[in-house]
Amino acid sequence: DSGVTQTPKHLITATGQRVTLRCSPRSGDLSVYWYQQSLDQGLQFLIQYYNGEERAKGNILERFSAQQFPDLHSELNLSSLELGDSALYFCASSGFGLLSSTDTQYFGPGTRLTVL
Amino acid sequence: AQKITQTQPGMFVQEKEAVTLDCTYDTSDPSYGLFWYKQPSSGEMIFLIYQGSYDQQNATEGRYSLNFQKARKSANLVISASQLGDSAMYFCAMRDTGTASKLTFGTGTRLQVTL
Repeated sequence: DSGVTQTPKHLITATGQRVTLRCSPRSGDLSVYWYQQSLDQGLQFLIQYYNGEERAKGNILERFSAQQFPDLHSELNLSSLELGDSALYFCASSGFGLLSSTDTQYFGPGTRLTVL
Repeated sequence: AQKITQTQPGMFVQEKEAVTLDCTYDTSDPSYGLFWYKQPSSGEMIFLIYQGSYDQQNATEGRYSLNFQKARKSANLVISASQLGDSAMYFCAMRDTGTASKLTFGTGTRLQVTL
């Protein structure tokens, strides 16, 4: 158990809908990262938050947004869903998220999203 | 831009044997971190081992060791005494040391441990 929790574990929805994925980082970790794992794109970084502020953006679609709350949990919002958004979405957390190459990201169990 | 290459889509190893999973990387940053993660069929991503670009010694964690050859830009994972439970996907990743501390992943290697 990494200490990172994600809910829900599975999500099945229809095209055009909106969903929210939730992540609670390990106790004490300030940084939260979101990744998408799909068969065609592999594992891709979406976005990072550090202590409530957006730190970096990756290949995140405009239909997707995220935030980190004062209690450090994070939510990833996916809207106007398309079939191609079906994927495993991971949240990871780390203690620093700053300019350190030693910081390790610990991953949650993931949310498997299926868009029908 | 950083790039991670894993050229072995799949590998087989017999139980109790050692296996090496290849990873090469490309970066212009003199300071970087290299990670290996394991993804069993259940889907979770499990951190295995870390190697820093300035570390003088190869990293080891139990049965896992990292064969770090900086000049060749390779960071191969060695699993000793393979167990059935080692069957999984293995991903090599590099951490950016710029303003974004994201991980860049390779495409993974599927390891199957046989009796």
